[in-house]
Amino acid sequence: DGGITQSPKYLFRKEGQNVTLSCEQNLNHDAMYWYRQDPGQGLRLIYYSQIVNDFQKGDIAEGYSVSREKKESFPLTVTSAQKNPTAFYLCASSPGRGRSSEQYFGPGTRLTVT
Amino acid sequence: QKEVEQDPGPLSVPEGAIVSLNCTYSNSAFQYFMWYRQYSRKGPELLMYTYSSGNKEDGRFTAQVDKSSKYISLFIRDSQPSDSATYLCASQGAQKLVFGQGTRLTINP
Repeated sequence: DGGITQSPKYLFRKEGQNVTLSCEQNLNHDAMYWYRQDPGQGLRLIYYSQIVNDFQKGDIAEGYSVSREKKESFPLTVTSAQKNPTAFYLCASSPGRGRSSEQYFGPGTRLTVT
Repeated sequence: QKEVEQDPGPLSVPEGAIVSLNCTYSNSAFQYFMWYRQYSRKGPELLMYTYSSGNKEDGRFTAQVDKSSKYISLFIRDSQPSDSATYLCASQGAQKLVFGQGTRLTINP
């Protein structure tokens, strides 16, 4: 059963702590993306990666970090430098190679920082 | 000005009605246009995918792109309560998608 998995579904952290969100895909897609969704603001791109061991900043990368050591995995770390980390985080993947606009999303992780 | 603009609604219509959802975009270089459906507390699901101008139909859903006016539309015929969701339009920018805010749609039985 192919798809994108994100874990955990809900995550609670204290302010000042780093937290890592997991994203795994078994679609054999080259490209992977992280978005943040806040009420009334749509989706905003945090980071994306088109191939293993390479990634680029999106529109709101400050306070976040990523790695892409394996094709299937693209974890996102929300650092203590992120000023407003409470949000719904979505991971997506696409086939790449001219089909980067076909993005498929995981179920999301809702992060709450208090 | 946002690159993709979408009225956030909310939009509420009776079951069986034809629903029209719309977006405008500002970048004439955009060629690919998508509609996503997002149920509450879930990830978006790719619903329709079109290239350049024209119509694309899939069951009760029709996506329409008018590049001359930079207008993107999604029509839902014979709307059902299960169509109640947030609908997001998106366009392909330079190596990334640009999303509208999303329109929250409710179909009332």
